[in-house]
Amino acid sequence: SQTIHQWPATLVQPVGSPLSLECTVEGTSNPNLYWYRQAAGRGLQLLFYSVGIGQISSEVPQNLSASRPQDRQFILSSKKLLLSDSGFYLCAWTFQGIETQYFGPGTRLLVL
Amino acid sequence: DQQVKQNSPSLSVQEGRISILNCDYTNSMFDYFLWYKKYPAEGPTFLISISSIKDKNEDGRFTVFLNKSAKHLSLHIVPSQPGDSAVYFCAASGVQGAQKLVFGQGTRLTINP
Repeated sequence: SQTIHQWPATLVQPVGSPLSLECTVEGTSNPNLYWYRQAAGRGLQLLFYSVGIGQISSEVPQNLSASRPQDRQFILSSKKLLLSDSGFYLCAWTFQGIETQYFGPGTRLLVL
Repeated sequence: DQQVKQNSPSLSVQEGRISILNCDYTNSMFDYFLWYKKYPAEGPTFLISISSIKDKNEDGRFTVFLNKSAKHLSLHIVPSQPGDSAVYFCAASGVQGAQKLVFGQGTRLTINP
C-alpha cells in the first residue's frame, strides 16, 4: 500500500527566514505530486504540481518555490518567509491518469 | 473566480438523521467530482467520487448525487454519526490536466447527540 509523509508537523519561523518542507511517498512510482495551502478558515489552494522528476508547474505567483529532486520526493521552499505565508501546507499524490488525490498529514507553518 | 462553491459554511444535524452537503460548480467541462473529509490539523481523506457519466454513487452511508444540468452535486450521509463531525470539501477535475483538483471552500458539519 501507499503512504505519504510530511515533515515537520509544525513549524514556527521568523519573517525573512528560509523554509524547507518535505514530502515523500512510499509504495508507488512516478506519482503526480501536489502542494496545497489552506489559509485559516478557507479552502485548499493549489500551489504547485509535478508530473515527474524536475518538472514543476506553479499555479499562483508567490514567495514560494518547489522542487522534485527524486521520483517520490517533493520539496516546498522559500528564501525569505512573509507573514502571509502562514497556513497549513498539504502535500498530495495521485497515480498518473487517476483523479483521486491522497493527502499527507500536513505542516502547520506560523510566521511571526 | 470561484469555480467550485460550497455556499453553506456550516451545518448542524442531529445524530441519526440525514446530513446533506451541497456543492455548485460553474465550469461545464468538469467531468469528475470528489468529496473529502477533513479533521482539524490533519490532511483531507477521500470519501467518495462520481464521474459525470453517472448521476449517483453510493458507498455505505455515503451517497453522492450529481445534477449536471444544474451544475450541482450533493453528499448525503445517512445515518449521521458523531464521528462525521468534520469539514467536508467538494472538488472537481477534468479541465486543467495533470489530474488537478479545484476545491470548494468547505462546509463544517457538526453532528449533535
